[in-house]
Amino acid sequence: KNQVEQSPQSLIILEGKNCTLQCNYTVSPFSNLRWYKQDTGRGPVSLTIMTFSENTKSNGRYTATLDADTKQSSLHITASQLSDSASYICVVSARGGGNKLTFGTGTQLKVEL
Amino acid sequence: DAGITQSPRHKVTETGTPVTLRCHQTENHRYMYWYRQDPGHGLRLIHYSYGVKDTDKGEVSDGYSVSRSKTEDFLLTLESATSSQTSVYFCAISEQGGRETQYFGPGTRLLVL
Repeated sequence: KNQVEQSPQSLIILEGKNCTLQCNYTVSPFSNLRWYKQDTGRGPVSLTIMTFSENTKSNGRYTATLDADTKQSSLHITASQLSDSASYICVVSARGGGNKLTFGTGTQLKVEL
Repeated sequence: DAGITQSPRHKVTETGTPVTLRCHQTENHRYMYWYRQDPGHGLRLIHYSYGVKDTDKGEVSDGYSVSRSKTEDFLLTLESATSSQTSVYFCAISEQGGRETQYFGPGTRLLVL
């Protein structure tokens, strides 16, 4: 069964600090991995998409890495801001799976002053 | 929210009543999806559409039906609502399937009493 596991479940950091969120997956055969940001009460918003051949992708202060051999990804947030407080969701697509994505349960990040 | 609206945004209904949720897009994207989001679970696909009158089931389709008579509208119907269908429902769209980014609507919060 395809699964995506994220850690930690929740995280509190001070504004200006960096943090790294983890994602492990068992989706096979792998097609691509996405990170989404979901603010409370809103729909998820795409941050990055990476395919098998890409091991790093950045979007402003967000940098995602992918190790397809170990089936792990991380999302690094640099110089956090209060607006980064949200749930970050890792999503994996299987090759041949069409439009069916496997979603993680998310890491809830809170950035405090 | 990428030209996607959902209606209603909030609904309270009683067990056994029919409920229809509407997703409307202004992006002319071919693919439309319905997901549900519940605590402790990642987003789960209910149904999706790959064109007008073309739909397919997702992983949690029991108790739900969909219809797409126009490119811009995708309807989700709960024929006879149950308490287990209390959830937040998200519509998403994508230009193509596969590795294309999915853009999510703002969500509909449904409570079945």
